[in-house]
Amino acid sequence: AQSVTQLGSHVSVSEGALVLLRCNYSSSVPPYLFWYVQYPNQGLQLLLKYTTGATLVKGINGFEAEFKKSETSFHLTKPSAHMSDAAEYFCAVSDLTGAQKLVFGQGTRLTINP
Amino acid sequence: NAGVTQTPKFQVLKTGQSMTLQCAQDMNHEYMSWYRQDPGMGLRLIHYSVGAGITDQGEVPNGYNVSRSTTEDFPLRLLSAAPSQTSVYFCASSYGLGNNEQFFGPGTRLTVL
Repeated sequence: AQSVTQLGSHVSVSEGALVLLRCNYSSSVPPYLFWYVQYPNQGLQLLLKYTTGATLVKGINGFEAEFKKSETSFHLTKPSAHMSDAAEYFCAVSDLTGAQKLVFGQGTRLTINP
Repeated sequence: NAGVTQTPKFQVLKTGQSMTLQCAQDMNHEYMSWYRQDPGMGLRLIHYSVGAGITDQGEVPNGYNVSRSTTEDFPLRLLSAAPSQTSVYFCASSYGLGNNEQFFGPGTRLTVL
């Protein structure tokens, strides 16, 4: 069965600093990989996704993630944090069966310090 | 387009009561699903549907029923509410399969006393 582990339930960075949110997955075959963001009292919004092709994926709001098959990782980064980035971030995987059943990590709450 | 809509936004039930959480989408998406979100556990799939008339169980289906009579609607029924079903429920939809983005509704916050 697939699983997703997000290292660190809470991450705090200063405004302007690098954001790094870690995600490792367990899958017998390379899955589809997603990062979603959830702002307070809202639903989830897609930040970026990896399906096939280029392993460095760029998303919205300046975020990017790199798929590393050898490390089974899909870490999310942003060079310079902004106050508006404060939210909860979820890494998710989808298998290749065609039914698009997402398996989510536990989530990482990102706090931005002024 | 309204996207994915969910009603109600908040609900309080007593143990043993039943209710239906409504979900609708106006994007003509084939795939719809229900997740529950609990602190420290991310989102877990309850049930999903790959088209009208077709539903299947996800990771945590016990205590919930679904049906999909139209492309637009995918209601989630709690047959006999239990405190363990206190959670935030999200409906999502997507077009096609596998690698497509799922669009999420705003959620329903359910408390079972």
